[in-house]
Amino acid sequence: RKEVEQDPGPFNVPEGATVAFNCTYSNSASQSFFWYRQDCRKEPKLLMSVYSSGNEDGRFTAQLNRASQYISLLIRDSKLSDSATYLCVVNSPNSGYALNFGKGTSLLVTP
Amino acid sequence: GAGVSQSPSNKVTEKGKDVELRCDPISGHTALYWYRQSLGQGLEFLIYFQGNSAPDKSGLPSDRFSAERTGGSVSTLTIQRTQQEDSAVYLCASSSGNSEQYFGPGTRLTVT
Repeated sequence: RKEVEQDPGPFNVPEGATVAFNCTYSNSASQSFFWYRQDCRKEPKLLMSVYSSGNEDGRFTAQLNRASQYISLLIRDSKLSDSATYLCVVNSPNSGYALNFGKGTSLLVTP
Repeated sequence: GAGVSQSPSNKVTEKGKDVELRCDPISGHTALYWYRQSLGQGLEFLIYFQGNSAPDKSGLPSDRFSAERTGGSVSTLTIQRTQQEDSAVYLCASSSGNSEQYFGPGTRLTVT
């Protein structure tokens, strides 16, 4: 079983739509959770950390459910520039602070 | 400020040759990580350096892979006797302790 699993998509949504991505992780000892964004042929860039109480950054809201080992990302009022692959990332308690990456969910926002 | 830099950006090599990939982390970051991303796959952890501690090599796929970090800064990832399955983008990241990791642009390795 993969340590971090995501729906690969693609999610095709019109501008202005709200879209949600989900992710599950297998290691209950994981302590740090992130969403990264990766544009085509570019390196991953941190979008936001995910905190236990949930957190919001502008149009982006992240939620964590430790009991279900489930992480979500909600994007409101989506923009064309949000088109990218969104990577769910969980730290690997057995390997220092190395990160386990999901394969990513592809989002395409259309005019 | 300057981010993580990697060189070369692209490398094409023949099967069986050795390659060296270089990473310059963000100044002051104590932790450095190597990952690789194969086509259509997620990022795969390779090795992790933290300060002067012994590196965590648990992700290295075979003994053909090794890495060094000299002076707590620059790191070199070496792949000996390259194979076609080594073709991937090799990404380096650095962080300050256990905070967020910042990635370099990667080295795209193609083994022919």
